[in-house]
Amino acid sequence: GAVVSQHPSWVICKSGTSVKIECRSLDFQATTMFWYRQFPKQSLMLMATSNEGSKATYEQGVEKDKFLINHASLTLSTLTVTSAHPEDSSFYICSARDLWGGDTQYFGPGTRLTVL
Amino acid sequence: AQKVTQAQTEISVVEKEDVTLDCVYETRDTTYYLFWYKQPPSGELVFLIRRNSFDEQNEISGRYSWNFQKSTSSFNFTITASQVVDSAVYFCALSLPKLSFGAGTTVTVRA
Repeated sequence: GAVVSQHPSWVICKSGTSVKIECRSLDFQATTMFWYRQFPKQSLMLMATSNEGSKATYEQGVEKDKFLINHASLTLSTLTVTSAHPEDSSFYICSARDLWGGDTQYFGPGTRLTVL
Repeated sequence: AQKVTQAQTEISVVEKEDVTLDCVYETRDTTYYLFWYKQPPSGELVFLIRRNSFDEQNEISGRYSWNFQKSTSSFNFTITASQVVDSAVYFCALSLPKLSFGAGTTVTVRA
């Protein structure tokens, strides 16, 4: 149980294009999902909190117009990196909080984005 | 403010040795959760354990054990008889409910 999927697992795109990453909780409902960014050999940095049916809450320093988050259902959240640039290249990880699991966050396998 | 400190950046051991990973946290809240996650080279974070602030009982799961000491704000993790498959980055995290991660400890187990 408590499986979170992420798609795609990796993506290479040209500078200026937009990339959408999907995060799904497969066997539980998640009213809250989180998006993290991780640079090589560093810890996870929380980008935003995604709540089903409402606007996402972004952490300080994260551009909300750059990183669009939509949480349209209890099992799906999407992160769109708009007008991607090489500095957006990173490992993006989502997590879903199991409402009945005492605040435990289960993580997706991550998406490696490379912007050329 | 909340903060998680994992003072050990890297630990290298030979297979079958025991490994203890330190985690010290700071928070003014009385209700919180502590977590350990494992991140193998594939990148996916694997949930290992959750402990709430009111439960100081130590826990053992197979070769893994955890020692929660509220008096010293520590939540240490021990791998007994380490194996090569234990090689990974291990993160300690504090939830209030947003997760604050420590910097991670890279464990390398050599055959």
